[in-house]
Amino acid sequence: GDSVTQMEGPVTLSEEAFLTINCTYTATGYPSLFWYVQYPGEGLQLLLKATKADDKGSNKGFEATYRKETTSFHLEKGSVQVSDSAVYFCALNTRGYSTLTFGKGTMLLVSP
Amino acid sequence: GAVVSQHPSWVICKSGTSVKIECRSLDFQATTMFWYRQFPKQSLMLMATSNEGSKATYEQGVEKDKFLINHASLTLSTLTVTSAHPEDSSFYICSARGYEQYFGPGTRLTVT
Repeated sequence: GDSVTQMEGPVTLSEEAFLTINCTYTATGYPSLFWYVQYPGEGLQLLLKATKADDKGSNKGFEATYRKETTSFHLEKGSVQVSDSAVYFCALNTRGYSTLTFGKGTMLLVSP
Repeated sequence: GAVVSQHPSWVICKSGTSVKIECRSLDFQATTMFWYRQFPKQSLMLMATSNEGSKATYEQGVEKDKFLINHASLTLSTLTVTSAHPEDSSFYICSARGYEQYFGPGTRLTVT
């Protein structure tokens, strides 16, 4: 079945450092790929998405490129801020728009 | 953006009792809502898909008689955990499908 593997956290960075959170997937067909972010005490929010190979999703300085050859969708940001501290979930769907398969989530802690 | 609320945000109940969790889409109508369960340091697991006016579709391995889902209106879905046991203790998250999938903040259930 479909699955998503994320690097384990927490990832601890200083402000303005470069961020990479790795995500790889296994899926039948051609999945759409997503990154969601969960700030403390809040629900998940869609951060960015890509629907086909070589697409790049971007939002709020975060980027991820859909790499079909490596089945990856790594999240990157050039300069993190304290306000980026949150849990980040990589997800995919292949069963239509509705059903999402999530990775375990990666906690990011950014210190001043 | 679209907002989804959950109530209560946390609940403690005794073993053998039933607990109802509400999921509301506050500023949009959602014909489809989803219920997830999240264990500590694990990914979100889809429990069921709730469709307004019809029976919920449960994922394999989820007991439909234990986790009762009702989606009686376009803005409200409820999850009732019947005859709760300590192993039902978990974090339950709902989402509602609008333009994208919008998530609630989650409900922490502890069964003593």
